[in-house]
Amino acid sequence: AQSVTQLGSHVSVSEGALVLLRCNYSSSVPPYLFWYVQYPNQGLQLLLKYTSAATLVKGINGFEAEFKKSETSFHLTKPSAHMSDAAEYFCAVSSGNTPLVFGKGTRLSVIA
Amino acid sequence: GAGVSQSPSNKVTEKGKDVELRCDPISGHTALYWYRQSLGQGLEFLIYFQGNSAPDKSGLPSDRFSAERTGGSVSTLTIQRTQQEDSAVYLCASSRDRVVTEAFFGQGTRLTVV
Repeated sequence: AQSVTQLGSHVSVSEGALVLLRCNYSSSVPPYLFWYVQYPNQGLQLLLKYTSAATLVKGINGFEAEFKKSETSFHLTKPSAHMSDAAEYFCAVSSGNTPLVFGKGTRLSVIA
Repeated sequence: GAGVSQSPSNKVTEKGKDVELRCDPISGHTALYWYRQSLGQGLEFLIYFQGNSAPDKSGLPSDRFSAERTGGSVSTLTIQRTQQEDSAVYLCASSRDRVVTEAFFGQGTRLTVV
């Protein structure tokens, strides 16, 4: 079985500060890992995905994530937060031919 | 349309009534998923359709929940004898084939059981 743990249900950062959203996964097979973002009253949008190629994955809106097998982590970062980054972020894992298993999400607030 | 379409966008129903939620996936996508999103609980997997294979129903929470996909396209999620705990946002997603590709989500149906 696969699972995802997102540390921190709510993260608050100042505008211009580093964004770090944590995700740890559990998988008995090599995982495929995803970060999705959900803006208020909108559907989920894919930010980036790891599918066994480069361990550092770059996504949209300046976000990136690094796959660390030894730490079973796939943390999401952005060097400088913008007000428009305020949203809910979900980490997800799959074995490749199974449905995505999602974490409980982290709400990011950006303070001016 | 170009995206995953769900209807209705909002549904209020009385406890004990049956409801049907519709999902129209992106044309050509063979995989279709239903998830339930409750406040603070993330996305809970419900059911997965892949081509002509038997659906993966392992996430359905009770026998009051069922889903079908007709002609490999439109899907309907049915909840019978609704309960207040069924109140949530029901999300549908589709992907081109295997799940490793990007899954595109609809806007969801917000179900409120009163």
